[in-house]
Amino acid sequence: EADIYQTPRYLVIGTGKKITLECSQTMGHDKMYWYQQDPGMELHLIHYSYGVNSTEKGDLSSESTVSRIRTEHFPLTLESARPSHTSQYLCASRDRVNYGYTFGSGTRLTVV
Amino acid sequence: KQEVTQIPAALSVPEGENLVLNCSFTDSAIYNLQWFRQDPGKGLTSLLLIQSSQREQTSGRLNASLDKSSGRSTLYIAASQPGDSATYLCAVWNSGNTPLVFGKGTRLSVIA
Repeated sequence: EADIYQTPRYLVIGTGKKITLECSQTMGHDKMYWYQQDPGMELHLIHYSYGVNSTEKGDLSSESTVSRIRTEHFPLTLESARPSHTSQYLCASRDRVNYGYTFGSGTRLTVV
Repeated sequence: KQEVTQIPAALSVPEGENLVLNCSFTDSAIYNLQWFRQDPGKGLTSLLLIQSSQREQTSGRLNASLDKSSGRSTLYIAASQPGDSATYLCAVWNSGNTPLVFGKGTRLSVIA
């Protein structure tokens, strides 16, 4: 059972809208990550965080922003959604003890 | 820059066969390696985590080995079942703070 939660599970939204994808974990992990994955394709790192008030950009970060005000919460915001943002967004966190990653179930976003 | 390659890209086998999935990485100075399973449209489920000081890990019918010096890992699945059908992803990271680098995955189909 996953201890990292993503909402919404599915989202259909119009072009130009501002959206926030939520990610929360109950494991007290410091490090959290956002990945983007098109159907059948590889994962690309968007943003990551080492802890509260820490955010770093990944490979595909230019059109989105993140914040890390609380350890358990790492939301991803698209200021102006475009059809090219249609994809699956996966959130992950990393255990500080055994260093394994845990992934959420993902948010499937469709921009029309 | 770390690169991860998975071979084969796709594999179809009859039920009951034992099979091996391969993962190679260009920078052998990895910290840890993790194997994941992904069902279509879903998030990632962790299968096995191999820390840098370990050579292999086992869970049920799954066994993963790691040879850092040659930059290779294998995932062995014994007595395959139709429920094993999924995409299997290999991922590595090079230090305590660097994000995961994923391979493109092996798409496995087990035919009943």
